[in-house]
Amino acid sequence: SAVISQKPSRDICQRGTSLTIQCQVDSQVTMMFWYRQQPGQSLTLIATANQGSEATYESGFVIDKFPISRPNLTFSTLTVSNMSPEDSSIYLCSVTKRGGTYEQYFGPGTRLTVT
Amino acid sequence: QKEVEQDPGPLSVPEGAIVSLNCTYSNSAFQYFMWYRQYSRKGPELLMYTYSSGNKEDGRFTAQVDKSSKYISLFIRDSQPSDSATYLCAMSAIYNQGGKLIFGQGTELSVKP
Repeated sequence: SAVISQKPSRDICQRGTSLTIQCQVDSQVTMMFWYRQQPGQSLTLIATANQGSEATYESGFVIDKFPISRPNLTFSTLTVSNMSPEDSSIYLCSVTKRGGTYEQYFGPGTRLTVT
Repeated sequence: QKEVEQDPGPLSVPEGAIVSLNCTYSNSAFQYFMWYRQYSRKGPELLMYTYSSGNKEDGRFTAQVDKSSKYISLFIRDSQPSDSATYLCAMSAIYNQGGKLIFGQGTELSVKP
């Protein structure tokens, strides 16, 4: 598996502000994904972070609200913009390893509360 | 109808019991099936993964896939209090370095000493 870290681990933010979440992996990976897990719910894919190009967003998620960067093969950021209480969730990054197949490994998550 | 259905529980069993966790799905294109364990306030941990139909065993855990019935299961033998967690099934239709996972709602399991 890969060792994945996320920063911050948790934050409490005011509505209308933005938060950038970082995901760092200990080795080069092929694909990086961002998921959201709302309270009491399962995981929903926000977007696939593509290295060197724009992220690919799932239906219901847009770049203006969730801009994503992936400058290299081990790092990505997700920004939650103009936050509202409905954005209170756990945000998780996941990766698939180079040379691996389809297994995805998840980071510890960032717990966001918007007041 | 959700693509993946999973009974959310909660499920409570005594220590040593055999636990059966199940998911059904509607998309016949799914070929890759995974089970994750998620402890409270932690990220999901990959437990088992299987391709297409069949069984896979790893220690106390056995994963089964029945594509004809669109039904997957995870069995835990000799369950331990440390198995208390939420178990999530996930599946994908895409090969080649991973792809979009569709998750079930998760089943909360509690194993009582």
